[in-house]
Amino acid sequence: AQSVTQLDSQVPVFEEAPVELRCNYSSSVSVYLFWYVQYPNQGLQLLLKYLSGSTLVKGINGFEAEFNKSQTSFHLRKPSVHISDTAEYFCAVRMEYGNKLVFGAGTILRVKS
Amino acid sequence: DVKVTQSSRYLVKRTGEKVFLECVQDMDHENMFWYRQDPGLGLRLIYFSYDVKMKEKGDIPEGYSVSREKKERFSLILESASTNQTSMYLCASSLTSARGNEQFFGPGTRLTVL
Repeated sequence: AQSVTQLDSQVPVFEEAPVELRCNYSSSVSVYLFWYVQYPNQGLQLLLKYLSGSTLVKGINGFEAEFNKSQTSFHLRKPSVHISDTAEYFCAVRMEYGNKLVFGAGTILRVKS
Repeated sequence: DVKVTQSSRYLVKRTGEKVFLECVQDMDHENMFWYRQDPGLGLRLIYFSYDVKMKEKGDIPEGYSVSREKKERFSLILESASTNQTSMYLCASSLTSARGNEQFFGPGTRLTVL
């Protein structure tokens, strides 16, 4: 069965500092990978996704993620965070043949001024 | 833009009550999903539907049922609510099962069972 591990439950960071949110998955077959963001009192919104091709994926709001097949990782990065990036971030994986997403437990990013 | 709406943002029910959570999407999506979200557990799939009147169990279907009589509407039913069903419930939809189709989420319903 697939599983997704988000290694940090909370990440505090100062404004304008870089940040990396880590995600590892377990699957023996090809997968599609997603990062979603949830702002307070809202539903989830897609940040970016990896389907195939270039392993570096750029998303909205200046976020990017790198797919590493050998390490089964899909870490999310932003070079300079803003207060408005404070939210919970979810990594999700979907098998190549299937329509179910498996989500990680989430990482709360707290940006401090 | 795709819009997924959920009938209530907050709901308070008593143990043993039958509870209906409604979800409507306006973009003719084939697939619809119900998740529950709990702190430290992420989102867990309860049920999903890939067509009208079709449904499949997700990872945690016990205590829940669903109904999809029309393509745009997907209902989650708690037959007899219990306190351990206090949670945030999120509905989502996606166009098809084709690769990479993202799921679009509603704002969520925070259910409290007393």
